[in-house]
Amino acid sequence: EDQVTQSPEALRLQEGESSSLNCSYTVSGLRGLFWYRQDPGKGPEFLFTLYSAGEEKEKERLKATLTKKESFLHITAPKPEDSATYLCAVRETSGGSYIPTFGRGTSLIVHP
Amino acid sequence: DTGVSQDPRHKITKRGQNVTFRCDPISEHNRLYWYRQTLGQGPEFLTYFQNEAQLEKSRLLSDRFSAERPKGSFSTLEIQRTEQGDSAMYLCASSPWGSSNTGELFFGEGSRLTVL
Repeated sequence: EDQVTQSPEALRLQEGESSSLNCSYTVSGLRGLFWYRQDPGKGPEFLFTLYSAGEEKEKERLKATLTKKESFLHITAPKPEDSATYLCAVRETSGGSYIPTFGRGTSLIVHP
Repeated sequence: DTGVSQDPRHKITKRGQNVTFRCDPISEHNRLYWYRQTLGQGPEFLTYFQNEAQLEKSRLLSDRFSAERPKGSFSTLEIQRTEQGDSAMYLCASSPWGSSNTGELFFGEGSRLTVL
């Protein structure tokens, strides 16, 4: 069973059309939920870390929120340059491991 | 540029050949990770080092794979007797440890392997 599930797999938006990406997780003790952006052929680039339910982080048109079971990445009035794959990763407390586990990502395309 | 550096960026090889990838982490980072990513998938953990010690290996890391980090600086990932299923992007990431560790990983651009 996947620890991290992202939905939708792909999302097409018109420029200015706000939407949200979902990341649900099933780890027993969360020690951080991370959002990354990945452009084609490049390595992931860190966006946010969230640690506890109710926490929110913002950066430009992106806002990440966290509940006890899922996180949302809200994209407000997106622009074509926001097109990328958005990856969610979780780190759990069990065994003292600090290895983030990634979801499959959501591929976002924003049309002008 | 003080980011994570990976070499080569692209490698095409024939099945059965050995390949080696190198990763130079951010200099003050003592944790180094290797992930593998195939098309349409998220990065899958392979192994990680704290300084020169290899602390954990994924079951994905068969005995054809070996990773080293001599002296806790750069790292190499070697794949012996490559198979077509090894074709993927191999990503290296580093992070600091201690009070400055927020869990953020700093990724390199990746090394893309194609096995013919």
